[in-house]
Amino acid sequence: DAKTTQPPSMDCAEGRAANLPCNHSTISGNEYVYWYRQIHSQGPQYIIHGLKNNETNEMASLIITEDRKSSTLILPHATLRDTAVYYCIVKETSGSRLTFGEGTQLTVNP
Amino acid sequence: EPEVTQTPSHQVTQMGQEVILRCVPISNHLYFYWYRQILGQKVEFLVSFYNNEISEKSEIFDDQFSVERPDGSNFTLKIRSTKLEDSAMYFCASSVEWIAGTDTQYFGPGTRLTVL
Repeated sequence: DAKTTQPPSMDCAEGRAANLPCNHSTISGNEYVYWYRQIHSQGPQYIIHGLKNNETNEMASLIITEDRKSSTLILPHATLRDTAVYYCIVKETSGSRLTFGEGTQLTVNP
Repeated sequence: EPEVTQTPSHQVTQMGQEVILRCVPISNHLYFYWYRQILGQKVEFLVSFYNNEISEKSEIFDDQFSVERPDGSNFTLKIRSTKLEDSAMYFCASSVEWIAGTDTQYFGPGTRLTVL
């Protein structure tokens, strides 16, 4: 599996954009980048995924660098309810498992 | 919006007892998964299931564990003889399909298993 590296914690002010970085320098050409989040001990919640192009949905935007060695998840207007652990996962092509790391604890402050 | 549901939300059992955790995946999904999260630790993959067969399992998923799709809607995880270290949150997930690296898995809320 391609390993990912994320900062352990980040803070963001409510209403501002939260930019969560992820390094995945060993990613293979056909491996996808997935982002999930987990609020307290709830089930992980899917946010977005991408291969090489930038992606946007109603929750977030995903910016993947041209060399695909890193990506950034952007929550455009963070709210208190976005406080969670955010996981960047490189999805292996040969199997079905998601391999979760430690993630980034994002705290949105009022 | 369709959701994965899990029952019970909390299960307490005595060591050595059998437990069955239940999940109802999203209705048109074909791939099913179990993960677990021991308190304070990472979410860990246990098993994936497709077409009534295990398609992948982790080293955690030993002979004490089994999965079944007993009918068209439920997906179960059985632990035959629970140990203290089985205490964890167990998450079920499902996805529509698996196409070489892209299968968006949707997770249920989890069952908290406490083994005494």
